[in-house]
Amino acid sequence: AQKITQTQPGMFVQEKEAVTLDCTYDTSDPSYGLFWYKQPSSGEMIFLIYQGSYDQQNATEGRYSLNFQKARKSANLVISASQLGDSAMYFCAMRENTGNTPLVFGKGTRLSVIA
Amino acid sequence: DVKVTQSSRYLVKRTGEKVFLECVQDMDHENMFWYRQDPGLGLRLIYFSYDVKMKEKGDIPEGYSVSREKKERFSLILESASTNQTSMYLCASRQGGSQAKNIQYFGAGTRLSVL
Repeated sequence: AQKITQTQPGMFVQEKEAVTLDCTYDTSDPSYGLFWYKQPSSGEMIFLIYQGSYDQQNATEGRYSLNFQKARKSANLVISASQLGDSAMYFCAMRENTGNTPLVFGKGTRLSVIA
Repeated sequence: DVKVTQSSRYLVKRTGEKVFLECVQDMDHENMFWYRQDPGLGLRLIYFSYDVKMKEKGDIPEGYSVSREKKERFSLILESASTNQTSMYLCASRQGGSQAKNIQYFGAGTRLSVL
């Protein structure tokens, strides 16, 4: 069974600094995808970045990058040059590459950016 | 842009009422999902559907049912609402198939209070 663990319930970061949000996962399927979503106080889940298990390079999308360490089963999100608007809940999620399986989510990390 | 629309942002219902939460997507996606979100518990899957008239139970289906009569619409039904169903409900849709990288898009959420 798939499992996602986010061990940091809350994080603080100074504006313009970088921050790493941790995510570890567990699966026996060799083919899977990892996702990060942002949820601002408005409630909508916003897709940020995707990493496939067979991707050779770490994914990057603007200020977001994914530090993918397959052997450790970790997929940490790195946000560079934090902005006040980055304050939100962040969820890590995984999907095995089998049929129509749904995304499984971690419990989330609340990031607060301080001016 | 993909659009997933949930019919209500806020709902207040009484214990024992039958409650319908509606979700519509405009991207011809095969897969649709209902999650509930509670503080400290992350997103938990209630039901999902991979095609019209098809449904699969998620992790917490008790007390809920679903309906998918048309491809674009997925309804969540609380047959007899109870106070422990007070929560944030999130609908999502995704292109079908086994490709792990298919992005799951979310609606803005419905905050349901059962009194």
